[in-house]
Amino acid sequence: GNSVTQMEGPVTLSEEAFLTINCTYTATGYPSLFWYVQYPGEGLQLLLKATKADDKGSNKGFEATYRKETTSFHLEKGSVQVSDSAVYFCALSNFNKFYFGSGTKLNVKP
Amino acid sequence: DGGITQSPKYLFRKEGQNVTLSCEQNLNHDAMYWYRQDPGQGLRLIYYSQIVNDFQKGDIAEGYSVSREKKESFPLTVTSAQKNPTAFYLCASSILNDEQFFGPGTRLTVL
Repeated sequence: GNSVTQMEGPVTLSEEAFLTINCTYTATGYPSLFWYVQYPGEGLQLLLKATKADDKGSNKGFEATYRKETTSFHLEKGSVQVSDSAVYFCALSNFNKFYFGSGTKLNVKP
Repeated sequence: DGGITQSPKYLFRKEGQNVTLSCEQNLNHDAMYWYRQDPGQGLRLIYYSQIVNDFQKGDIAEGYSVSREKKESFPLTVTSAQKNPTAFYLCASSILNDEQFFGPGTRLTVL
């Protein structure tokens, strides 16, 4: 079947620290992979995506690489800001269905 | 300006009442979805529709109903059969097999 597993939070970092949020997936075929961000009281916003193996998605300093050999799509950012505090969801799309991870809360302290 | 709108932003329901949450999109997307989110939790799929006049149950459809009479609209009714409806409800739309676009959400509280 299809599923997404991401690291449990909360993740607490100081400003300018390096961020990694792990995401692994199980899927048949060739899924597309996504990272979404949710700020308090709001809907989800697409952060980045990758549609095939070895693709790197990037946006606003965040990056993730579609690794088929390790079935992973880890989110990274070199230097986090307080404004990056939010909940991050990893997701996959396969055969017209979407599957979300459980979300990882990121707290960035000044 | 294309996007998804949900209304109202906040909704209060008395015990035994049905309430309807609105979701409209002008992105010309075929697929639309309803999710429920409880505090500190992930998303759970309630219903989805891939074409007008057709929809399928998601993982937690009991106590909810939907209609898809127009491509742009996918309203969700929370019926009195839903015993614990207090939650944040999110609507989304997509081109099939591509990214989902989300609305701002409706927070439903049972009084």
